[in-house]
Amino acid sequence: DTAVSQTPKYLVTQMGNDKSIKCEQNLGHDTMYWYKQDSKKFLKIMFSYNNKELIINETVPNRFSPKSPDKAHLNLHINSLELGDSAVYFCASSQDPQTGHISYEQYFGPGTRLTVT
Amino acid sequence: AQTVTQSQPEMSVQEAETVTLSCTYDTSESDYYLFWYKQPPSRQMILVIRQEAYKQQNATENRFSVNFQKAAKSFSLKISDSQLGDAAMYFCAYPNFGNEKLTFGTGTRLTIIP
Repeated sequence: DTAVSQTPKYLVTQMGNDKSIKCEQNLGHDTMYWYKQDSKKFLKIMFSYNNKELIINETVPNRFSPKSPDKAHLNLHINSLELGDSAVYFCASSQDPQTGHISYEQYFGPGTRLTVT
Repeated sequence: AQTVTQSQPEMSVQEAETVTLSCTYDTSESDYYLFWYKQPPSRQMILVIRQEAYKQQNATENRFSVNFQKAAKSFSLKISDSQLGDAAMYFCAYPNFGNEKLTFGTGTRLTIIP
């Protein structure tokens, strides 16, 4: 049973195209995230959703639009792809802190390697 | 803003030896958590160990342990009896208060020498 799954694992496309990456978690978590890992392996948060509500939007171009149809799914749609969008995109989920600053570890999907040519 | 710094881009260790990976961070919070994640060539992000700042005792998970120095804002990872399967990128991470997003360090690539 895969806890956090992403499809596709690899995506090769041309500049200007529109593509989507899907993420699903079966852990019953309330919070889901998208991270981007660049060619230097640096990981940075892009978006966070809590129970279908957008919590974090970290200075990401408008061409990126997350969508959460329910709390188990968080998809990432990218319009007009650019060369600089080439990266590995990770979906993650965590349990919603109930009280105070209780941090639960985040569980990551296998990543989607996006290559824009 | 919280920052996480890993000053060792690469480290190597002989198999069966011990290695320590360094991490420093900056925060104004008094109660927080810290994580070490491992990313092997498969690119899967795997949680190695977590530390709760209010706990005096350093966290331990089998061959992995941390040296947590709260006053110095230091959180190093010690790997004992290194194995070939430990070869990976290791990331120190801090979950931001309130929204729980993870701020990652730049990573340390660990090579195990047979």
